[in-house]
Amino acid sequence: DTAVSQTPKYLVTQMGNDKSIKCEQNLGHDTMYWYKQDSKKFLKIMFSYNNKELIINETVPNRFSPKSPDKAHLNLHINSLELGDSAVYFCASSQGAMSTDTQYFGPGTRLTVL
Amino acid sequence: GQNIDQPTEMTATEGAIVQINCTYQTSGFNGLFWYQQHAGEAPTFLSYNVLDGLEEKGRFSSFLSRSKGYSYLLLKELQMKDSASYLCAVYQAGTALIFGKGTTLSVSS
Repeated sequence: DTAVSQTPKYLVTQMGNDKSIKCEQNLGHDTMYWYKQDSKKFLKIMFSYNNKELIINETVPNRFSPKSPDKAHLNLHINSLELGDSAVYFCASSQGAMSTDTQYFGPGTRLTVL
Repeated sequence: GQNIDQPTEMTATEGAIVQINCTYQTSGFNGLFWYQQHAGEAPTFLSYNVLDGLEEKGRFSSFLSRSKGYSYLLLKELQMKDSASYLCAVYQAGTALIFGKGTTLSVSS
């Protein structure tokens, strides 16, 4: 299947822990994104990479560090998890970083911090 | 700054027509997207408008007026499966997609 995939789908962890979420796309796209969707369903951009280079870095705590080993992968590492980090994290990809490039979303990772 | 407004909730009945409005204020406009998101699932692309006017795609149509900072998504012949959140998103120059808070549509029989 051609798609954007994320692992894990669910992640439950304790405050203070460090965790990673992985994202892979096999659509041949050049640009990948991380979004956070909070409990009120508000979807907000966190990071964007184009050809492995960071192009968007919104106001996100530096506990969040994205890493793109290649164009098809964009992982998100979170240090010292806090209660407020509980949310659904969506990875997305698009052909390029142009406004006309439709973004395709992964299934999401529901992170719960206890 | 940027601001995107949509109604929080709407209800309609099967077979009806519903219009979901979106108003926006952004610095630098490069297009407007509508996404559909079923509960617990990923947003999926519905439509894209960058020029003024109506784009029709089957039962769904989307309209844009750039001068008014206004768009709407029109859903015809509503079906139960159309119950979902509908997200308006504006592509702001130099950044990325800025999403509204979404409109939750409930379709009843």
